[in-house]
Amino acid sequence: DAKTTQPPSMDCAEGRAANLPCNHSTISGNEYVYWYRQIHSQGPQYIIHGLKNNETNEMASLIITEDRKSSTLILPHATLRDTAVYYCIVTTGANNLFFGTGTRLTVIP
Amino acid sequence: SAVISQKPSRDICQRGTSLTIQCQVDSQVTMMFWYRQQPGQSLTLIATANQGSEATYESGFVIDKFPISRPNLTFSTLTVSNMSPEDSSIYLCSDRWNYGYTFGSGTRLTVV
Repeated sequence: DAKTTQPPSMDCAEGRAANLPCNHSTISGNEYVYWYRQIHSQGPQYIIHGLKNNETNEMASLIITEDRKSSTLILPHATLRDTAVYYCIVTTGANNLFFGTGTRLTVIP
Repeated sequence: SAVISQKPSRDICQRGTSLTIQCQVDSQVTMMFWYRQQPGQSLTLIATANQGSEATYESGFVIDKFPISRPNLTFSTLTVSNMSPEDSSIYLCSDRWNYGYTFGSGTRLTVV
């Protein structure tokens, strides 16, 4: 599976949009981009995934560049409960997930 | 997606003993995974467990230390054997559904 690069930490004001970037320049054509988050002391929680089109669900939006070498997870209105470590993972979906170090997002009141 | 119930949620164990962690899935799944998360670290895959076959272990993990059972398509156990303080971690199970993965809530193990 391709590796990803994420900033180690970010802050976001409560109520504002949180934009979390991810670089995956070696992504293969059959690999999806997945986002998970881990709130302290809990198991990782699925957020969203996409192949090449932008995706939106009730939690977030995923913007994937046309060359698929990077993506951005957008939390439109961040709340204090969104404070967590966010993991960007690229995988074919056929096997396990490889977790990098992720981005620690802190939502500030 | 499937729902995974993992237990125990936490335990404190004496060194040299063993602990078995259980994961129950509310639907049949082919692949299950076991991860370890050491304090302040990201998740590391221990092994992949498919029903009806031996678990496949990642580099650095061996069956004698982390025996895994997968008796049916809804259940799996991981045993942490002959524990030492270095085994103090959160252990998580996961399954794969369609194109996503669901995780248990984790077992926080402290070895004293």
